[in-house]
Amino acid sequence: KAGVTQTPRYLIKTRGQQVTLSCSPISGHRSVSWYQQTPGQGLQFLFEYFSETQRNKGNFPGRFSGRQFSNSRSEMNVSTLELGDSALYLCASSLSAGVTYEQYFGPGTRLTVT
Amino acid sequence: QQQVKQSPQSLIVQKGGISIINCAYENTAFDYFPWYQQFPGKGPALLIAIRPDVSEKKEGRFTISFNKSAKQFSLHIMDSQPGDSATYFCAAIMDSNYQLIWGAGTKLIIKP
Repeated sequence: KAGVTQTPRYLIKTRGQQVTLSCSPISGHRSVSWYQQTPGQGLQFLFEYFSETQRNKGNFPGRFSGRQFSNSRSEMNVSTLELGDSALYLCASSLSAGVTYEQYFGPGTRLTVT
Repeated sequence: QQQVKQSPQSLIVQKGGISIINCAYENTAFDYFPWYQQFPGKGPALLIAIRPDVSEKKEGRFTISFNKSAKQFSLHIMDSQPGDSATYFCAAIMDSNYQLIWGAGTKLIIKP
């Protein structure tokens, strides 16, 4: 079974631009979560989607948004990029948080904002 | 109350020794406690997990010990190998809000 895939793997953007990251979950998994990982703040939860609905959102500004499609693929968008948005963005999928908490992570997208 | 505190920040263990990483939590609503292993340039990989109704879970060389009354849990890596050198994260999650709450991570180095 293929794992979680994330595209692109690396991205360099300029302050003020916007960016869209993509995540394809493991086949059959319906829950997709996004996390931001930085050396200073560690791993922080962004949001979780299940069946195209956002079920929970972390403490990030409205510039961070996401969506999930009917095939469970998910995208996250960051608008008006700031230097502090430079991070590794991780996507994780699970069957459903209500059935199993096992979350499987993709390799991440390394975003650098200059 | 949402925090998970992890220690130590870094750990050096000789090959063949036992590596021990500790975590503590405050929120008794957490009901699942996974450990993740992360290598440089990779996403975290689920290693082993436990529910609070179990005091210990063992998978190969990896064991989770869980102390519900103390609100603490720990990861023991027996017979540590250089290939175990990685960053380890403990985490906690509750059914009601679907988000993993992460410890700060422990960078483990196994010396040959």
